[in-house]
Amino acid sequence: AQSVTQLDSQVPVFEEAPVELRCNYSSSVSVYLFWYVQYPNQGLQLLLKYLSGSTLVESINGFEAEFNKSQTSFHLRKPSVHISDTAEYFCGANSGGSNYKLTFGKGTLLTVNP
Amino acid sequence: NAGVTQTPKFQVLKTGQSMTLQCAQDMNHEYMSWYRQDPGMGLRLIHYSVGAGITDQGEVPNGYNVSRSTTEDFPLRLLSAAPSQTSVYFCASGFSVEAFFGQGTRLTVV
Repeated sequence: AQSVTQLDSQVPVFEEAPVELRCNYSSSVSVYLFWYVQYPNQGLQLLLKYLSGSTLVESINGFEAEFNKSQTSFHLRKPSVHISDTAEYFCGANSGGSNYKLTFGKGTLLTVNP
Repeated sequence: NAGVTQTPKFQVLKTGQSMTLQCAQDMNHEYMSWYRQDPGMGLRLIHYSVGAGITDQGEVPNGYNVSRSTTEDFPLRLLSAAPSQTSVYFCASGFSVEAFFGQGTRLTVV
């Protein structure tokens, strides 16, 4: 069975510092990977996704993630965070085909302090 | 284009009561699903559907029923609410491998 592990439940950082949120997945088949963001009292929004092609994917607000097949990782990074990036971030995986089910990690709460 | 719409946003139930959480999408997606979100547990799949008339169980289906009579709607029914069902519930719809989420329903069972 596919599983997703987010290695940190909470990550506090100061504004303008770099951040990395770690995600590892386990799968013996091709996998599609996602990062979703949940702002307080809101639903989940897709931040970025890896389906195929370039292993480095970027979002419109400066986040990027790199698919690393040998390490089964899909870590999320941002070189300089803002207060507005405070949110919970979820890593998700889908094995594709006729299986539409997303498996999520338990989430990482990113808190950006002034 | 409203996307995925969930109603109600908040609900308080007494133990043993029943209710239906509504979910509607206007994107003509085949795939719809229900998740519950609990602190420290992430999102866990309750039930899902790959098309009208087709539903299946997810990771935590006990205490919940679903049906899918149309492409647009995927209601989640709690037949006899229990305090363990206090949670935030999210409906999602998708095409291929990408999911779009509703704003959630915060349910408290007392």
